[in-house]
Amino acid sequence: AQSVTQPDIHITVSEGASLELRCNYSYGATPYLFWYVQSPGQGLQLLLKYFSGDTLVQGIKGFEAEFKRSQSSFNLRKPSVHWSDAAEYFCAVGERSNDYKLSFGAGTTVTVRA
Amino acid sequence: GAVVSQHPSWVICKSGTSVKIECRSLDFQATTMFWYRQFPKQSLMLMATSNEGSKATYEQGVEKDKFLINHASLTLSTLTVTSAHPEDSSFYICSARRRDKSYEQYFGPGTRLTVT
Repeated sequence: AQSVTQPDIHITVSEGASLELRCNYSYGATPYLFWYVQSPGQGLQLLLKYFSGDTLVQGIKGFEAEFKRSQSSFNLRKPSVHWSDAAEYFCAVGERSNDYKLSFGAGTTVTVRA
Repeated sequence: GAVVSQHPSWVICKSGTSVKIECRSLDFQATTMFWYRQFPKQSLMLMATSNEGSKATYEQGVEKDKFLINHASLTLSTLTVTSAHPEDSSFYICSARRRDKSYEQYFGPGTRLTVT
């Protein structure tokens, strides 16, 4: 069965510092990978996605993620965090054999301190 | 493009009553819609998958008689929480996907349900 792990429940980072959120998945085939951000009481906003091709993908708001097949990882990064980046971040994975149903990680809460 | 709306955005109902939540794809035809449930500070859990014109497929542990899903058209799916109880209070999020992009889902803004 597919599974998604986000090892970090909560990360605190200073404004202007870099941020990296980890995501590991368990899959048998080539996954379709997504990162979403959710502000309190809001829906999900897609930050970026990976289906194939270049393993380093650029997203909105200055985020990027790198797919590493050998490590079954899809970590999200941002070079310089802004206070508005404080939110909940979810990694999600879909697979063709499962009709692309998404499995979500538990989420990582990001707090930005001044 | 690919905008999904939900209505209402929040609802309060009394225990024992039913409440209906609508999910609409505004600018595309959604062959499949998904319903998720999210408890506070937790992740999204898939409840069910609905395909236009057919019965919904429920995930294990989800009561199909309690959470009625109807996907009557290519732009509308509804979730009805029947005989709601306080434990049904949650954030319900729908998503939709297009026939030509079955690997990607577009999410609605969510509906906050509070049962008193």
